[in-house]
Amino acid sequence: SAVISQKPSRDICQRGTSLTIQCQVDSQVTMMFWYRQQPGQSLTLIATANQGSEATYESGFVIDKFPISRPNLTFSTLTVSNMSPEDSSIYLCSVAGTETNGPYGYTFGSGTRLTVV
Amino acid sequence: DQQVKQNSPSLSVQEGRISILNCDYTNSMFDYFLWYKKYPAEGPTFLISISSIKDKNEDGRFTVFLNKSAKHLSLHIVPSQPGDSAVYFCAASPQGAQKLVFGQGTRLTINP
Repeated sequence: SAVISQKPSRDICQRGTSLTIQCQVDSQVTMMFWYRQQPGQSLTLIATANQGSEATYESGFVIDKFPISRPNLTFSTLTVSNMSPEDSSIYLCSVAGTETNGPYGYTFGSGTRLTVV
Repeated sequence: DQQVKQNSPSLSVQEGRISILNCDYTNSMFDYFLWYKKYPAEGPTFLISISSIKDKNEDGRFTVFLNKSAKHLSLHIVPSQPGDSAVYFCAASPQGAQKLVFGQGTRLTINP
């Protein structure tokens, strides 16, 4: 399966600032996904990023707050803008499944633990 | 609206015994169900999946059962090993959508 490098692994940020999270995949993939896991909650899909087109955002998430870039088939960034303490979460990137895992056996990065103070 | 629910936040099982993790869902349009395992400071890793047209899938020590009439999914781990201690997430994929809906997770602890 694909290997995903995600950074930073963790950060503590001041409210009102922005943080950009990077996700690098070791193979070309069409779709990349960004998830959020708030404390004690399940993983929630923020958006789907396709190379060469605008990201598709889920209900409750907007581009101004979570702008996404997808410059090529192996890389994506998620920016958390104008942060507040409510944005403190683990952010994870993911790619679609492989022949081994099946179409929905997504591979995840190790996550970015964000704390906003 | 929590479409996928794991009602047990934690489960403790003795090593060598069977671990049973449960998951309920409300959306009858889910066509694929999956289980992920997550260790601290790591991303979730895919464990096993099942299509909605099946009622059982087995992979080594792991078996997933699907009861569509009850909208219930379970993961059986037998025998349980200390390395199985992790948080387990149930997930489902809506038909025609390239996305996953996750449950809240169950923390499994295997005691020696």
